[in-house]
Amino acid sequence: AQSVAQPEDQVNVAEGNPLTVKCTYSVSGNPYLFWYVQYPNRGLQFLLKYITGDNLVKGSYGFEAEFNKSQTSFHLKKPSALVSDSALYFCAVRVPFYNTDKLIFGTGTRLQVFP
Amino acid sequence: KAGVTQTPRYLIKTRGQQVTLSCSPISGHRSVSWYQQTPGQGLQFLFEYFSETQRNKGNFPGRFSGRQFSNSRSEMNVSTLELGDSALYLCASSLANGQGDTEAFFGQGTRLTVV
Repeated sequence: AQSVAQPEDQVNVAEGNPLTVKCTYSVSGNPYLFWYVQYPNRGLQFLLKYITGDNLVKGSYGFEAEFNKSQTSFHLKKPSALVSDSALYFCAVRVPFYNTDKLIFGTGTRLQVFP
Repeated sequence: KAGVTQTPRYLIKTRGQQVTLSCSPISGHRSVSWYQQTPGQGLQFLFEYFSETQRNKGNFPGRFSGRQFSNSRSEMNVSTLELGDSALYLCASSLANGQGDTEAFFGQGTRLTVV
């Protein structure tokens, strides 16, 4: 079965420090990978995606993610965390060529950035 | 450019009633997907519509249904509401270019509470 794992329910980091939110996937073929962020009582906001090409992709608000095919991972990173980055982060995959835009989501990781 | 609009934002219903939620996608987007978000189950895919046709369906009972109109607006309906249907229902629209490489844009969601 196709699945996405976010092994950490919560990540705590001090403001100014680098942050990493982990994501691994189990999907056949070459999936498309996405990161979304959700603030309280809001929908999901798109951060970045990996489709093909360079394994390091850059996205909104200074976030980037590294795709590693051999480890089937797509970890979200930021060099210097801000308190305002505190939110719920979701990793998602889409299997191309299945004639669908359906996304399979991980369970989410709550990022807490402390001043 | 207007984003994805979901109405209403909040809804309180009684067990056994039915409810209809509405979603207006971004102009030009032809694919609309619905997701249920709960603390215990995370983000679960409900169904996807493209050109007024359901082209993918998640593992939900038949009480959950949807449709899409010619202007791409979509509605989802839940009949015979149960307490467990209390959730944030999110609608997402995509350009649906056939390649699967475009990101989905989410509305702010409808918070349904069943009492």
